[in-house]
Amino acid sequence: ETGVTQTPRHLVMGMTNKKSLKCEQHLGHNAMYWYKQSAKKPLELMFVYNFKEQTENNSVPSRFSPECPNSSHLFLHLHTLQPEDSALYLCASSQDGTTPEKLFFGSGTQLSVL
Amino acid sequence: GQNIDQPTEMTATEGAIVQINCTYQTSGFNGLFWYQQHAGEAPTFLSYNVLDGLEEKGRFSSFLSRSKGYSYLLLKELQMKDSASYLCAAMDSNYQLIWGAGTKLIIKP
Repeated sequence: ETGVTQTPRHLVMGMTNKKSLKCEQHLGHNAMYWYKQSAKKPLELMFVYNFKEQTENNSVPSRFSPECPNSSHLFLHLHTLQPEDSALYLCASSQDGTTPEKLFFGSGTQLSVL
Repeated sequence: GQNIDQPTEMTATEGAIVQINCTYQTSGFNGLFWYQQHAGEAPTFLSYNVLDGLEEKGRFSSFLSRSKGYSYLLLKELQMKDSASYLCAAMDSNYQLIWGAGTKLIIKP
């Protein structure tokens, strides 16, 4: 248990569906992240939120829409995804997001787009 | 460009020692991280090195050479539960993490 909880653990969706991934952290951290993990590829940083403000968007397609209502919760809204978006989506948090500090990851949502 | 290289897969025997290498090229450097990720689980932090040398933490040790852009993770007295992927990540001058693709370690009895 890392203190970061992601739901759902598995998700299968069609290309026309709309779904949302949820992340919650109970560590009192101020920074939260979305990463994409594809098989045999490096982790890809998608979005960073610091004190609820988005500080990074790594050229992510608009079919991925993040939302951070407070420092403890992070959502990733998905719509009209493509099969190549199938991957493990990891949420992470850290204390401040500004200095070298370790990340605490959730177990991820395994997404399959049909 | 910025890059991390680590072997894709390694196999070792229970009770033995294994060294997982990582080489990096980054714009500036603010330290190197190692994470462990069991299949279907969250990556968990193992170590952080920013100065040259070896840091030991129980059965796991991590080494850094900044001049060579090189790090390794050393696992001693291997146990079956050490079967996992090991992720190397270097932090650049903008505090961005550059990740390797991970090394899948298979432990055989």
